[in-house]
Amino acid sequence: DTGVSQNPRHKITKRGQNVTFRCDPISEHNRLYWYRQTLGQGPEFLTYFQNEAQLEKSRLLSDRFSAERPKGSFSTLEIQRTEQGDSAMYLCASSPAFREATSGDEQFFGPGTRLTVL
Amino acid sequence: GNSVTQMEGPVTLSEEAFLTINCTYTATGYPSLFWYVQYPGEGLQLLLKATKADDKGSNKGFEATYRKETTSFHLEKGSVQVSDSAVYFCALKGDSWGKLQFGAGTQVVVTP
Repeated sequence: DTGVSQNPRHKITKRGQNVTFRCDPISEHNRLYWYRQTLGQGPEFLTYFQNEAQLEKSRLLSDRFSAERPKGSFSTLEIQRTEQGDSAMYLCASSPAFREATSGDEQFFGPGTRLTVL
Repeated sequence: GNSVTQMEGPVTLSEEAFLTINCTYTATGYPSLFWYVQYPGEGLQLLLKATKADDKGSNKGFEATYRKETTSFHLEKGSVQVSDSAVYFCALKGDSWGKLQFGAGTQVVVTP
């Protein structure tokens, strides 16, 4: 299977603990996005990588959140000192190389990691 | 800033009925518009897209036309099937980085 994969699929943690999620994009895609989706809402943008460079971060990404994409391949999203409000589905998406500003390049989404903070 | 508003669900229909899901947007410039679908237990999938005014996206019997004058991108299907039961998200991409801005989603339930 050559789709976007995410691990783990589910994570239950206690408030105050640190968690890390991993995303493996489609191999030839150099753009990688993280989104967060809460129940009954659409996904909200968190951050974006082009290759290994993190080019944009949402205001939603507090200083407890950090994302990396070493070597421009897989990416990790770490949440430190988790809070109950962090409970959500964390989605990763990838897309091929940038062509033009109004391109309709499709983003391919992974299955998500569901985080529950007790 | 950019935003997407879509009709609230759930929308419950009988098989073979006509489906419309309204979507309107606010954006500067010329965004690209998308409909994504999330089937039960699965990830988001692109259903269709349109990149400029008056473009019509279509796929699997679904259609949506990019209407700049009404800032709308309504999703339609002439005859739904039970297998179309899913959550549908309208989204726009307004900048060169490509991040998507989604509506809240509309759940569609099709009964036999």
